[in-house]
Amino acid sequence: GESVGLHLPTLSVQEGDNSIINCAYSNSASDYFIWYKQESGKGPQFIIDIRSNMDKRQGQRVTVLLNKTVKHLSLQIAATQPGDSAVYFCAENIRGANSKLTFGKGITLSVRP
Amino acid sequence: NAGVMQNPRHLVRRRGQEARLRCSPMKGHSHVYWYRQLPEEGLKFMVYLQKENIIDESGMPKERFSAEFPKEGPSILRIQQVVRGDSAAYFCASSRGPGQQSYEQYFGPGTRLTVT
Repeated sequence: GESVGLHLPTLSVQEGDNSIINCAYSNSASDYFIWYKQESGKGPQFIIDIRSNMDKRQGQRVTVLLNKTVKHLSLQIAATQPGDSAVYFCAENIRGANSKLTFGKGITLSVRP
Repeated sequence: NAGVMQNPRHLVRRRGQEARLRCSPMKGHSHVYWYRQLPEEGLKFMVYLQKENIIDESGMPKERFSAEFPKEGPSILRIQQVVRGDSAAYFCASSRGPGQQSYEQYFGPGTRLTVT
């Protein structure tokens, strides 16, 4: 079954606020995680990744946090903009699983103007 | 700066026909992955290929589905005798060869298959 899942199906935030999207995983052999953004009618767009030997990684306006103790991953988006509205997926690679990614179901981020 | 290319973008087939989906990886990428996405769901892994070699097909249905990545040309996902349940978006992703960046997969725009 799925080893990656998202806590909430939708998230609505005010433009300019920070967004936090959470993800849980269950496989302790997972060693690499990616966040993707998918806009309607398009393919998933790589946002940021993190390896299991790290706790935090920052990009432009985004931060990914990894808590291996509780098997939890989060994506933080600073100063959320209307263009951030999309479905967000966390995905994991399980060590020894030939680079294939296991995706969660996705959470919709809606930005209110 | 061409990304992953997929065609066609939309494909309509009647039940029993064949569907061929094509994927050209990003320049410099030698690994190709196919995923399927049903409406309002996450992507499901189907198959992982390198040139002329299937590495992992654990997500492929046992019948009617096949994939190839020839030495020359795009990767092809082939679905024979399509049924309505095959209707989905099919995404191709590519990555570099083994090493630090092998997990970074970049996706194409997808092919939306509709079976009538």
